[in-house]
Amino acid sequence: QVQVVQSGAEVKKPGASVKVSCKASGYTFTAFYMHWVRQAPGQGLEWMGWINPESGGTNYAQRFHGRVTMTIDTYISTAYMELSSLRSDDTAVYYCAPSLTAHFDYWGQGTLVTVSS
Amino acid sequence: QSVVTQPPSASGTPGQRVTISCSGSSSNIGSNYIYWYRRLPGTAPKLLIHSNNQRSSGVPDRFSGSKSGTSASLAISGLQSEDEADYYCAAWDDSLNGPVFGGGTKLTVL
Repeated sequence: QVQVVQSGAEVKKPGASVKVSCKASGYTFTAFYMHWVRQAPGQGLEWMGWINPESGGTNYAQRFHGRVTMTIDTYISTAYMELSSLRSDDTAVYYCAPSLTAHFDYWGQGTLVTVSS
Repeated sequence: QSVVTQPPSASGTPGQRVTISCSGSSSNIGSNYIYWYRRLPGTAPKLLIHSNNQRSSGVPDRFSGSKSGTSASLAISGLQSEDEADYYCAAWDDSLNGPVFGGGTKLTVL
């Protein structure tokens, strides 16, 4: 069965970077983009971008351009999302989810990133 | 502010039928499938409706989806207390080359 498992919670200071991992199993890893979506406290779901595991190509949401980097390690079926220059409003739960569209059947369990001085 | 708009809240009493609307544009809802997700506190979103009106596996037939032009709606009939949650619509956006989510609707069962 499909499983998507993310790394654990992180606490970071403003200005620092965070890197979240997302290990997938149970399907052909290169067949689906890996998307990253976040939800800040009291806010809605916000799409951050996707990475194509087959080519390594990426597409980032405009508001994260220059701060987010998505990478892939196909040998261990793991995707990574690194967000730099963290601010307090980056405090959120970050999810990864594989899909070629807006159809997300499977999600990681979420990774809470807290940005606090 | 999301490019896809939902009412921030909706409510109903047990047994009632409620609808949640979702309004977008020609680059997203108008040209691609609409999806509906439910999110309970502390959990990942769960797919309820895919491809405009198809229920995901295990979703009761009290849930139905529809789409017309650049708008869509989710209807929940026979409202139950366990339906209290946040509901999100989503669609692929051809301009962004990525999915867009509505701002979410908090459903309260009175």
